[in-house]
Amino acid sequence: QVQLVQSGAEVKEPGASVKVSCKASGYTFTSYAVHWVRQAPGQRLEWMGWINTANENTKYSQKFQGRVTITRDTSASTAYMELSSLRSEDTAVYYCARSTYYDISRFGPWGQGTLVIVSS
Amino acid sequence: QSALTQPPSASGSPGQSVTISCSGTNNDVGGYNFVSWYQQHPGKAPKLMIYEVTKRPSGVPDRFSGSKSGNTASLTVSRLEADDEADYYCSSFAGNNLHVVFGGGTKLTVL
Repeated sequence: QVQLVQSGAEVKEPGASVKVSCKASGYTFTSYAVHWVRQAPGQRLEWMGWINTANENTKYSQKFQGRVTITRDTSASTAYMELSSLRSEDTAVYYCARSTYYDISRFGPWGQGTLVIVSS
Repeated sequence: QSALTQPPSASGSPGQSVTISCSGTNNDVGGYNFVSWYQQHPGKAPKLMIYEVTKRPSGVPDRFSGSKSGNTASLTVSRLEADDEADYYCSSFAGNNLHVVFGGGTKLTVL
């Protein structure tokens, strides 16, 4: 079945970077986009950006521009999200999600989420 | 890009219907028929319930329906069941920047 499996929880110090992976299975990886969405504790979903897995083009939310980098490895059917200059407010669950290229707001399925804790 | 506006809470009794709104602008909700709705239970990943304003993915009950008028989209849950109690989020394509924007979320309580 179509599935996205993310890497495990991370604990980082302020100022560090974190890289989260999202391995896809059950479909042709390059036929769909991959997005990253985060959710701070008790807060709303927040869209971070997406990657066209076929041509590697990316789009980022203005809020994260300059701090986030989304990449992919087609040979491993895996997308990555790296967030730098971490601060305590970046403590959140980070999700990857698949979308079609026709409707990039249609997310499904989602990964299970990766908890990132930023603390000294 | 500002978040779409949703009411923070909604409620209804089992068997009743409830409608959740999602207000945006001409640059997102009003400009395109690419509005989706997600259900999220505590500690779980979101689940797609509605896409392209009115369409239901396979497996989603027909008790869930979507609509749009102008810059406001709506999700209606009919014949409420206990398991419908969850947070609901709308999302929309946000125009020529090829961005996506979410709503602030609505907590649905089944009384």
